[in-house]
Amino acid sequence: AQKITQTQPGMFVQEKEAVTLDCTYDTSDQSYGLFWYKQPSSGEMIFLIYQGSYDEQNATEGRYSLNFQKARKSANLVISASQLGDSAMYFCAMREGNRDDKIIFGKGTRLHILP
Amino acid sequence: EPEVTQTPSHQVTQMGQEVILRCVPISNHLYFYWYRQILGQKVEFLVSFYNNEISEKSEIFDDQFSVERPDGSNFTLKIRSTKLEDSAMYFCASSEALLGGYSYEQYFGPGTRLTVT
Repeated sequence: AQKITQTQPGMFVQEKEAVTLDCTYDTSDQSYGLFWYKQPSSGEMIFLIYQGSYDEQNATEGRYSLNFQKARKSANLVISASQLGDSAMYFCAMREGNRDDKIIFGKGTRLHILP
Repeated sequence: EPEVTQTPSHQVTQMGQEVILRCVPISNHLYFYWYRQILGQKVEFLVSFYNNEISEKSEIFDDQFSVERPDGSNFTLKIRSTKLEDSAMYFCASSEALLGGYSYEQYFGPGTRLTVT
């Protein structure tokens, strides 16, 4: 079974609009961490935001926020006021357990921002 | 801001040759990882390394792969006899162990694109 599911292989969004990238996860651990990474066409992996399973508040980092719905095992990324530079591949990922363990990635969503 | 560095950025090698991919993790980090991403696919975990030994490895990380921390700064991934299917982007990552052994962020390097011909 997939640990991380990203159901949107691609999305087109008009510049300045908000966009939500979907992510659901599957784990039986009580303690886990959820990540979003951005991968532009140049290939590097850029960390965007992190949510711990015990964090009560949704994580926010500038224009990025993580809509964490624990009961639904959902960790959607919301980008407000999208910019052309947001065009990239976005990966949702999870670290199970409460230690420095591997990160499991989803298949990604390719986001295209239209001018 | 400290960052993970990787060399080379792109390596082309012939099938059957040995390659060594190099990484310099962030200096105070204690946990190190290698991931790979075949073109157009998701990022896959290969191996994690802590306290000079492998802490976990995936089924991809077979006997053809090895990792080493030869000195206090470098972290290397060696592929002994490359195959066509080893062509991929290889990412090194590191994380810091905070008090209590818990940290949350893995910092990725820019990747090495390996092309096996």
